[in-house]
Amino acid sequence: GESVGLHLPTLSVQEGDNSIINCAYSNSASDYFIWYKQESGKGPQFIIDIRSNMDKRQGQRVTVLLNKTVKHLSLQIAATQPGDSAVYFCAEMGEMDSNYQLIWGAGTKLIIKP
Amino acid sequence: EAQVTQNPRYLITVTGKKLTVTCSQNMNHEYMSWYRQDPGLGLRQIYYSMNVEVTDKGDVPEGYKVSRKEKRNFPLILESPSPNQTSLYFCASSYGTSGRDTQYFGPGTRLTVL
Repeated sequence: GESVGLHLPTLSVQEGDNSIINCAYSNSASDYFIWYKQESGKGPQFIIDIRSNMDKRQGQRVTVLLNKTVKHLSLQIAATQPGDSAVYFCAEMGEMDSNYQLIWGAGTKLIIKP
Repeated sequence: EAQVTQNPRYLITVTGKKLTVTCSQNMNHEYMSWYRQDPGLGLRQIYYSMNVEVTDKGDVPEGYKVSRKEKRNFPLILESPSPNQTSLYFCASSYGTSGRDTQYFGPGTRLTVL
């Protein structure tokens, strides 16, 4: 089946620095991508999404970049804070049998060093 | 408060003893879904429902059943649990019927099958 994967399972960043979390996807027909944040003991929480007709989208302290040529997605977090410590998942929306299904990556753990 | 709730949050059971994990959302969402989360595998969809009385298999439906008799509830049933169903389970809901809208997740249910 299709797969979405992450380059780094763990990312350690100094507090105040910017973080970049990368993700590769394999289904070139996917047209919707989402980043979720999962804190310890909680369910995934929506951060930001992007559609395939865009290559960049900004939120509050977060930016998602989409490079369809190389099927790569990244999440940039500006001025990381202790509260940003979590596992981050990218997911792509793929169509299967006329229904849309979220395909999840394995996750990247972001550790913020004081 | 808009939310997805799951019960129980933690459950330890023995092989073969039928169990049900409940999921309820108060956002009048059409789409509901169950995922399991295992280390290194991200989230994998078990079953989903696009509307009342409409359910369909996800990626890993074996050993699970669901029902959608009313819009707000989507219970996950394990008729005869086995140790390989030890996992962290998440219920999610979203507004539309296709699953393309932002999914809101419950807090998770940690199940251990001995």
